[in-house]
Amino acid sequence: GDSVTQTEGPVTVSESESLIINCTYSATSIAYPNLFWYVRYPGEGLQLLLKVITAGQKGSSRGFEATYNKETTSFHLQKASVQESDSAVYYCALGDRGGSNYKLTFGKGTLLTVTP
Amino acid sequence: DAGVTQTPRHEVAEKGQTIILKCEPVSGHNDLFWYRQTKIQGLELLSYFRSKSLMEDGGAFKDRFKAEMLNSSFSTLKIQPTEPKDSAVYLCASSLWGDSYEQYFGPGTRLTVL
Repeated sequence: GDSVTQTEGPVTVSESESLIINCTYSATSIAYPNLFWYVRYPGEGLQLLLKVITAGQKGSSRGFEATYNKETTSFHLQKASVQESDSAVYYCALGDRGGSNYKLTFGKGTLLTVTP
Repeated sequence: DAGVTQTPRHEVAEKGQTIILKCEPVSGHNDLFWYRQTKIQGLELLSYFRSKSLMEDGGAFKDRFKAEMLNSSFSTLKIQPTEPKDSAVYLCASSLWGDSYEQYFGPGTRLTVL
């Protein structure tokens, strides 16, 4: 079946350091995968951080970037310089653009703590 | 616009009880999803509706979990009977079909089964 594997947390990074959270996917039943990063900040609901629906494209938001790599089936999340406010749980997700079923398959989440 | 609303925010139940969780999607959205969130399994899809029609019913959850869409703006998730392993956060999400595939999530209901 379809699945998403991401960096197991927790991940602790010092403020202003760089960050990468790995995400790889397996899309056995999806012809045209869409890829997403969702984030849950403390005390808030899950919300979309960025999305890419075309292979080879890059998405960006709030200083985060992720490139949809079809060859390596990866969608790693990167940020050059993290801030304390980036502390949150990050989820990589896989969707299906080609079908009529718009469900998402999520990774298990990565807890990020940014220390001052 | 109001986001996805879920009630109650917290629920404590005794083993064997029936509980009903409620969700109001974003107005105008026609896809609705119920997920269970745990630290071990992450987010697992329980049910998926499009325009009130059941599109997918998570196989592992069929026996004691039943989601319904009573109308386009209200859905319930019934767990009957509850078991301690059902303790988790239950999330409801909605999206607009054909619109960027983004799902909007509610704050969740934290269920504790004793």
